[in-house]
Amino acid sequence: GDSVTQMEGPVTLSEEAFLTINCTYTATGYPSLFWYVQYPGEGLQLLLKATKADDKGSNKGFEATYRKETTSFHLEKGSVQVSDSAVYFCARTSSGGGADGLTFGKGTHLIIQP
Amino acid sequence: ETGVTQSPTHLIKTRGQQVTLRCSSQSGHNTVSWYQQALGQGPQFIFQYYREEENGRGNFPPRFSGLQFPNYSSELNVNALELDDSALYLCASSFMGGNEQFFGPGTRLTVL
Repeated sequence: GDSVTQMEGPVTLSEEAFLTINCTYTATGYPSLFWYVQYPGEGLQLLLKATKADDKGSNKGFEATYRKETTSFHLEKGSVQVSDSAVYFCARTSSGGGADGLTFGKGTHLIIQP
Repeated sequence: ETGVTQSPTHLIKTRGQQVTLRCSSQSGHNTVSWYQQALGQGPQFIFQYYREEENGRGNFPPRFSGLQFPNYSSELNVNALELDDSALYLCASSFMGGNEQFFGPGTRLTVL
C-alpha cells in the first residue's frame, strides 16, 4: 500500500544552518507530494507541493523536488531561523484516487537553537 | 476568505461514551476529510465526504461515522469511545478533484 517514510527526529540545528529533512514514498500510481508544517498546538499548514516528476515546490525559503527515480521529496532550506522550529510532515495523495485522503509520514520535529 | 474551523477545541470523555466533533469548511470548498492524529504520529485518514455522502474511507471501524450538510460543513461521530481514541482530530477541506487540502486547528479529544 501507500506509505511515506521520513527521517526520525528530533533534528536540532543552529540558526542559519542548512536544513535537509529526508522523505521517501512508495512508488504506486502518480502521486502529488506535499510538505506540511505543524506549530505547537495548531493544525497543519501546507508548506509546499509538487504534482509531477521533476517539479520543484518552494515557499518561505523551503524547497523540495519531486524525484521519481529515487521516490524522494526531500525538504531543504539554506538558512534556518528559530521561527522554523516545528514538526514537518511529508505526505502523498493516494494511489486509489483523491477520495482515499492523504498518506502522511510520522513527522520530523525540527528544533532551531539561537 | 474564511479558513477551516473546528469545534470544540478540547473535549474530555469517558470510555463508552459518544462524541460529536464539528467542522466548517473553507469558503468555496465542497469536500471535507477527517483525520486522526495520535500523539507523536502523522495524521491517519478516517473518511471523506462529498455531496453529503461518504466517498472514501480509511482503516477505521464503523463506530466512526460522519455527516456532511448542504453548506458543506461536517460532523464526525465516534460511538463507544475507547482509550485509544484519544487524539487530535483534524478536518480538512478541498475542492473535489483537487489534491490540495486545507486543515483546521483540530479538536483534542481525551478519553479517560
